[in-house]
Amino acid sequence: QVQLQESGPGLVKPSETLSLTCTVSGYSISSGYYWGWIRQPPGKGLEWIGSIYHSGSTYYNPSLKSRVTISVDTSKNQFSLKLSSVTAADTAVYYCARNIQYYYYYYMDVWGKGTTVTVSS
Amino acid sequence: DIQMTQSPSSLSASVGDRVTITCRASQSISSYLNWYQQKPGKAPKLLIYAASSLQSGVPSRFSGSGSGTDFTLTISSLQPEDFATYYCQQSYSTPRYSFGQGTKLEIK
Repeated sequence: QVQLQESGPGLVKPSETLSLTCTVSGYSISSGYYWGWIRQPPGKGLEWIGSIYHSGSTYYNPSLKSRVTISVDTSKNQFSLKLSSVTAADTAVYYCARNIQYYYYYYMDVWGKGTTVTVSS
Repeated sequence: DIQMTQSPSSLSASVGDRVTITCRASQSISSYLNWYQQKPGKAPKLLIYAASSLQSGVPSRFSGSGSGTDFTLTISSLQPEDFATYYCQQSYSTPRYSFGQGTKLEIK
């Protein structure tokens, strides 16, 4: 079955760049769909960060757009997130998810387990 | 941007109760509305897509309805494993998504 797994440093210093990778198994990213990043600050709700299409087109949350870069490496079946100039407000659990399509409807059917990133010096 | 507002923010109920959670969009989103369940320390799980379609493997006590701006998630008879936080999500502006703030369902 399709599985997603986030990986990356759990601690990032303020003003530095957060870098995470999502490794996909059981499905080839190059076959289709959008692939996205979502985060959840401690005790708060879900925030969509951005998505990348299998072809490489990217879409970002306007509130984070100036700091976010999402990329895909189809040879490794991975997609990645970079968030620059982080502050304590970026401390969160970061999830990657597959955005599947059914006719004109899209939804996130498979999620990674999430990885906790803390921004602190 | 499309804003999603859920009500209530929290809800206390008993096993066997019928529960309804509401989600309202800031503009019409047709039926482009999904519902997720999240338990503490776990990733969200898809329950309902396209406003009323039940994801495979999800118990039939869960149902969704609505279109346009107003949507509901109903649990017909609460089970102990249903106590969790529920989120709605619009996919009208795919792939630019937005979530509701969540509804925490607690045991009375």
